[in-house]
Order: sequence, then structure tokens, then C-alpha cells
Amino acid sequence: EADIYQTPRYLVIGTGKKITLECSQTMGHDKMYWYQQDPGMELHLIHYSYGVNSTEKGDLSSESTVSRIRTEHFPLTLESARPSHTSQYLCASSASGQGMREQYFGPGTRLTVT
Amino acid sequence: ILNVEQSPQSLHVQEGDSTNFTCSFPSSNFYALHWYRWETAKSPEALFVMTLNGDEKKKGRISATLNTKEGYSYLYIKGSQPEDSATYLCAFIDFYNQGGKLIFGQGTELSVKP
Repeated sequence: EADIYQTPRYLVIGTGKKITLECSQTMGHDKMYWYQQDPGMELHLIHYSYGVNSTEKGDLSSESTVSRIRTEHFPLTLESARPSHTSQYLCASSASGQGMREQYFGPGTRLTVT
Repeated sequence: ILNVEQSPQSLHVQEGDSTNFTCSFPSSNFYALHWYRWETAKSPEALFVMTLNGDEKKKGRISATLNTKEGYSYLYIKGSQPEDSATYLCAFIDFYNQGGKLIFGQGTELSVKP
């Protein structure tokens, strides 16, 4: 069973606030990912990391930032939330190796910025 | 821009019906194809990771085939049950992003009525 956690599950916050979405995994996976999904749209990769101190931007441009100081932890931060950031954010991880490894997903954070 | 298309977007079947849906992806630079099942209020869960042309994989009543030369994969569900109701996502990895960067389709939403 996958052990990847995201908090909070739901967040409603006002414009201009700084927010951090937490993601942790207990599987020792080197690779971690953040996806964004707008209603009715595909999951899009916004950030990924292949290990500690490694972070890269994904295919979809995002104003968020990430950090990877510990293997198990991959938080995503928005310095100043805007209504356009309203979306669902999913975190995932996978074991080392090429893209043949399945990804394990967290339950997601549904963010609403008012 | 790499594009992954899934059809149909939604499907409503009766319990006991068999069903199938399609994932289309670029046939050039293929590396791997993933299938995920995403039940409401849960995390996406990996079904299959497919890499070879002609691959067939099976898990219980669910099976998948892969044709990398023409760029499509089929997912089959035999004797659908209400618990099969979910969104089924396919995701493509191209040869130049082997590190595991998935490009998702929009998904096929399956509803199975008892």
C-alpha cells in the first residue's frame, strides 16, 4: 500500500496569503512530483525532483515553488495566492529507475482562493 | 507539444457489460505508457505500466494492450461491476523524458449501474 500524504486536503484562503501544501512519503522514493488539475482538464506536471536538493519545473508554468531538503518531504509554496491558483494539486512519488516505474499519488489538496 | 487523447470522455454501462476505451499518443519517441484508475475521493492508483509494442497486461477483469507503432492503447473491462466506476487515466512518457515525466490524457469517466 502506498504511503504518501498530503495536507491539507481542502483549503479556502484569501487573495494575497502565503500558503504551503505539504507532501510526505514514507517509501524512500527518490523521485517526487507535483501535478495540477483544473476542473475538466488533464493532470499537468508543475514540479519534479529526482532527489534531495534537486528540483525542476514541469511542463506547465506555475508561480509556485518547491523544495526538497529531505527525501521524504516535498512541499509546494505559493507566496501570494490568487484566484487563478484555484485548482487541485496532487503529489506523487516513484522509485528510482526510468519511466517504467509506476507513480504513487497522494489524495490531493483542493485549493480555493477567494 | 505532445498530446495524449482518450476516448470516450465518459461511459455509462450496466453491471455485467464489458467495455473498452482508447488512449492515443504520439507514435514517435515512445518510451512507456501508464494506466491509472482514479476513484472519487481517492488517490489515482496504478493499473499497468507498458513498454513493449504488442504488450498485453491483465489484472483481474481489467486488461490492456499496446500498439506503439500506431500510437494507441486499449483498456478492457470484462463484466463491469459498480466498484469499477472511476476515471481511467492514461499517461505517456516519451524517449527524451525517461525520468518519469508523465503526460496525461483527460481520462475516461466510467459509471457502472447496478
